[in-house]
Amino acid sequence: EIVLTQSPDFQSVTPKERVTITCRASQSIGSSLHWYQQKSDQSPKLLIKYASQSFSGVPSRFSGSGSGTDFTLTISSLEAEDAATYYCHQSSGLPYTFGQGTKLEIK
Amino acid sequence: QVQLQESGPGLVKPSETLSLTCTVSGGSINGYYWSWIRQPPGKGLEWIGYIYYSGTTNYNPSLKSRITISVDTSKNQFSLKLRSVTAADTAVYYCARVGGSGSFAFDYWGQGTLVTVSS
Repeated sequence: EIVLTQSPDFQSVTPKERVTITCRASQSIGSSLHWYQQKSDQSPKLLIKYASQSFSGVPSRFSGSGSGTDFTLTISSLEAEDAATYYCHQSSGLPYTFGQGTKLEIK
Repeated sequence: QVQLQESGPGLVKPSETLSLTCTVSGGSINGYYWSWIRQPPGKGLEWIGYIYYSGTTNYNPSLKSRITISVDTSKNQFSLKLRSVTAADTAVYYCARVGGSGSFAFDYWGQGTLVTVSS
C-alpha cells in the first residue's frame, strides 16, 4: 500500500498569505496525485488532478506541482473562504490512499 | 452537472449488514468507474472500493472480505453492502465518480451519509 504523508498537519495563516502544503509518497507514483478541499461538514471537492491540472471551476489561486514522490499544493493568496482541510490522494496503485489531511485555519 | 445522492439507514446494529445506495443524476452511470469512500468522525478519508459500469469491481484489501459493490445501470444506481459491522465502521459514507477520459481522480461526490453502528 502506498502511504501519503502530508505536512504540515495544521497551519494558521492570514489572508493574502501564500500557502504551501506538501504530500510525500512512500514510493514513486508518477503524476497520479490529486488534491481535494473539504470544508466543515461538507464533502470533499476536487481541486487539482494529476499533480498540476486544475479541475473545472477551481479558482486560479490554487495550483499544484511535483512528480515521483514529492508534491505541492499552493494557494497563491489565501482568502477567508479557503479555511478547510486539504487532502492528497494517489491513484497510481491499488488500494487508492489518501494523506492524513492538512487543516488550514484563517487568523 | 452530475449529482450523486447516498441513501440508506443511518443506524445499523453490530454484526448486521450496512446497505447504502448511490443515485446518479444529471448524467449516465455508463462509461465510468464509481467509488465508495468513508470518513470516521473527526478522521481522514478511506477508499472502500470501486465498480465499473460493466460490473468489474476492486476493493480495499482491508475490507474485501466484508464488502460487495454492485451496479444497476437501468436505475443509474450503485450500491454498497458491508457485512458484520462493528463500531469501527461508524463513519460518513460518500459515493463518488471516478473521473472519465482516463482520469482516476474523484471528480464528483455525494453529500455523504452518516452511518452509526450501535445497538
